[in-house]
Amino acid sequence: DTAVSQTPKYLVTQMGNDKSIKCEQNLGHDTMYWYKQDSKKFLKIMFSYNNKELIINETVPNRFSPKSPDKAHLNLHINSLELGDSAVYFCASSQGRGPGELFFGEGSRLTVL
Amino acid sequence: AQSVAQPEDQVNVAEGNPLTVKCTYSVSGNPYLFWYVQYPNRGLQFLLKYITGDNLVKGSYGFEAEFNKSQTSFHLKKPSALVSDSALYFCGGNYGQNFVFGPGTRLSVLP
Repeated sequence: DTAVSQTPKYLVTQMGNDKSIKCEQNLGHDTMYWYKQDSKKFLKIMFSYNNKELIINETVPNRFSPKSPDKAHLNLHINSLELGDSAVYFCASSQGRGPGELFFGEGSRLTVL
Repeated sequence: AQSVAQPEDQVNVAEGNPLTVKCTYSVSGNPYLFWYVQYPNRGLQFLLKYITGDNLVKGSYGFEAEFNKSQTSFHLKKPSALVSDSALYFCGGNYGQNFVFGPGTRLSVLP
């Protein structure tokens, strides 16, 4: 049973399109995150939700909109895709806002043509 | 600013030799410190963490890390490297609500 699952694993699309990546965790955690890993493997936090409340919103274009329907799900919607959005997007979860470790999904590789 | 640095992009070590992957952190907010490993086309996997207490922390797969407050470092170590340890290693700091990663260090263990 996968703890943190993301779909789709691969996504190839044209510039200007809108796409979504879904994330679900079955660990009972109350905090979820989206990270972006660029071509140089650098990891940057994008968003964090705690019990459906947005607690971290880093400087990302407002074309990116996270949605958390419940604490087990955190989806990422991207409007008007650009070439620079090509990256691997990782969902993660943790218990609370304390020192607990992050549990990562396998990543969703987005390629914008 | 809350940040984590990994000064080496790449570390090469011969199989059987000890390995060290370096990490330094900013003290702002007294972070909890972590190490993660990433294998190709996979998500990050937790190796170990330092919260408080003993400065030497033991983790998965024989890895350990030493917390050094005076040097603001948290280097990852293993006494005897395996070829299967070859991967990308990330040091991370949990600064309250913000979890920050270093840029990663690629470890290559040569047979």
